[in-house]
Amino acid sequence: AQSVTQPDIHITVSEGASLELRCNYSYGATPYLFWYVQSPGQGLQLLLKYFSGDTLVQGIKGFEAEFKRSQSSFNLRKPSVHWSDAAEYFCAVGARPGGNEKLTFGTGTRLTIIP
Amino acid sequence: GAVVSQHPSRVICKSGTSVKIECRSLDFQATTMFWYRQFPKQSLMLMATSNEGSKATYEQGVEKDKFLINHASLTLSTLTVTSAHPEDSSFYICSAKHRDRGQWAEAFFGQGTRLTVV
Repeated sequence: AQSVTQPDIHITVSEGASLELRCNYSYGATPYLFWYVQSPGQGLQLLLKYFSGDTLVQGIKGFEAEFKRSQSSFNLRKPSVHWSDAAEYFCAVGARPGGNEKLTFGTGTRLTIIP
Repeated sequence: GAVVSQHPSRVICKSGTSVKIECRSLDFQATTMFWYRQFPKQSLMLMATSNEGSKATYEQGVEKDKFLINHASLTLSTLTVTSAHPEDSSFYICSAKHRDRGQWAEAFFGQGTRLTVV
């Protein structure tokens, strides 16, 4: 079965600083990987996804993520964070056992931005 | 954009009663909807996959008689928590996939429903 680990429960970053959120996955085959963001009282919004091809994936809001198979990682990065980036971030891995699509989420990383 | 709306956003009910949560795709048709449960400081756990016009597929360990799912139309799926108990208190989130998009098309999430059973 697939699993996702987000080692950092809470990260605090200064506005304008760079950001990296860690995600490690476990899955036997080629994974489908996702990053979602959740603001308070709102649903999850897809930031980016990796299926195949270029291992550096560009997403919305200036985010990018790099798939590293050797490290089983899919870390999310942003060169300069904005106060509006404060939210909860979830990494997820997708699989299709028996043809049923399933997303397994990590526990999330809460991002706080300080002035 | 594609909007998924859940109702209610918060609900408090008495132990032993049933609660219905609605998940609607407002501007697209969804043949597949997913129901998740999120405990504090934990992951979203997939409870079941709901397909329009057919029975829901439940994940292992999820009681289908307790969590009744109905997907009667292409824009509405409902989750009914029957005979609720305090341990059912949680954050429930749905997501929906556009009917005309292929494998691994983006699933759009609702804003979630906070259920508290007292």
